Amino acid sequence: DTEVTQTPKHLVMGMTNKKSLKCEQHMGHRAMYWYKQKAKKPPELMFVYSYEKLSINESVPSRFSPECPNSSLLNLHLHALQPEDSALYLCASSRNRGLGNSPLHFGNGTRLTVT
Amino acid sequence: AQKVTQAQTEISVVEKEDVTLDCVYETRDTTYYLFWYKQPPSGELVFLIRRNSFDEQNEISGRYSWNFQKSTSSFNFTITASQVVDSAVYFCALSVATSYDKVIFGPGTSLSVIP
Repeated sequence: DTEVTQTPKHLVMGMTNKKSLKCEQHMGHRAMYWYKQKAKKPPELMFVYSYEKLSINESVPSRFSPECPNSSLLNLHLHALQPEDSALYLCASSRNRGLGNSPLHFGNGTRLTVT
Repeated sequence: AQKVTQAQTEISVVEKEDVTLDCVYETRDTTYYLFWYKQPPSGELVFLIRRNSFDEQNEISGRYSWNFQKSTSSFNFTITASQVVDSAVYFCALSVATSYDKVIFGPGTSLSVIP
């Protein structure tokens, strides 16, 4: 069983909808990540939060808006997405920044389809 | 620049055969970490192993073994007596001291174990 929980598992949304992806971990990890993965491709880093502060934004379009309400929760707010944004969105956590101390622990992902 | 190459896109083996997944990396950093992750059809990436650049000892964990050779910049992964449950996409990944949060994933190798 994964220790990083993502909801929902599947999401279908129209281009004018607003939705949110949620991620939760209770391992006491202080770094949390959002990745995007297209079919048959490796994951691509989107955002990194460290101690609830955004530390890395990999030039992600503003229609993706991350939020870290506390050390256990990470949200990704979605608005006005495009069909090409359809992908598997993976949340991950690590003990802290600097992956030499701790590897990434991934959730099962949310499979997003934009119609 | 950092890069991870996994030359084998897809591999099929018959159950109980041994299989080796190749990984070649490129970096000019002297301090770095190498990882292997498994992604079964369910979508979650499962951490398998982490190796730092100063530890070239090979490692064995059950049916899994890893061969790290700095001289050839390779970090190969062998599964002995493969099982159907080993069917998954396997990613080799690299993170370097100058940007630990940014894990560079290889393109992945899709392994199918046929009963």
